[in-house]
Amino acid sequence: DAGVIQSPRHEVTEMGQEVTLRCKPISGHDYLFWYRQTMMRGLELLIYFNNNVPIDDSGMPEDRFSAKMPNASFSTLKIQPSEPRDSAVYFCASSRSGGRGNEQFFGPGTRLTVL
Amino acid sequence: RKEVEQDPGPFNVPEGATVAFNCTYSNSASQSFFWYRQDCRKEPKLLMSVYSSGNEDGRFTAQLNRASQYISLLIRDSKLSDSATYLCVVKGGGRRALTFGSGTRLQVQP
Repeated sequence: DAGVIQSPRHEVTEMGQEVTLRCKPISGHDYLFWYRQTMMRGLELLIYFNNNVPIDDSGMPEDRFSAKMPNASFSTLKIQPSEPRDSAVYFCASSRSGGRGNEQFFGPGTRLTVL
Repeated sequence: RKEVEQDPGPFNVPEGATVAFNCTYSNSASQSFFWYRQDCRKEPKLLMSVYSSGNEDGRFTAQLNRASQYISLLIRDSKLSDSATYLCVVKGGGRRALTFGSGTRLQVQP
């Protein structure tokens, strides 16, 4: 199993540009989560999906952030326009209903730097 | 107040030492508890779940005190490879998602 796949692994962009992060969950997992990690705030949940439907987006910082899951094997997190304070590591994670202890498997993350 | 609070450390211990981490959580409706491990510049990975009766996995022992809303992790006979950040995680209170503490950094020294 390839695990959760994220791309790109690193992204450097300029303020005002659109950024799109991509995630492929583990096959058969029906939950997908997007997290953001910074030194100041730690690991924060942004949004999660169940069976491709957004369930809780209360962690999305503001309207500049949007997430989609068009099918069970693909999700995107978009930031438009990006700002320097969006610089962070963005993790995608997936899990399976009834899985062992509801374990979430994380992707390697996308390290975003907004100049 | 944060939902999950941990001492950030770092804890610097020699190889072979026993070290304990503590964590408190604020939501009394929390139902599931975990310890995740995160290596530097890597993703978090599940270390172990925490059960009410306490549980052990090799050198690692986790305990839960629901009355005090307190979780602990004990590592015996520390190895250099145990150096990492340990994240206390809770789930529940009507949410499927996990709530992470900010982590406790452990550095095991030769």
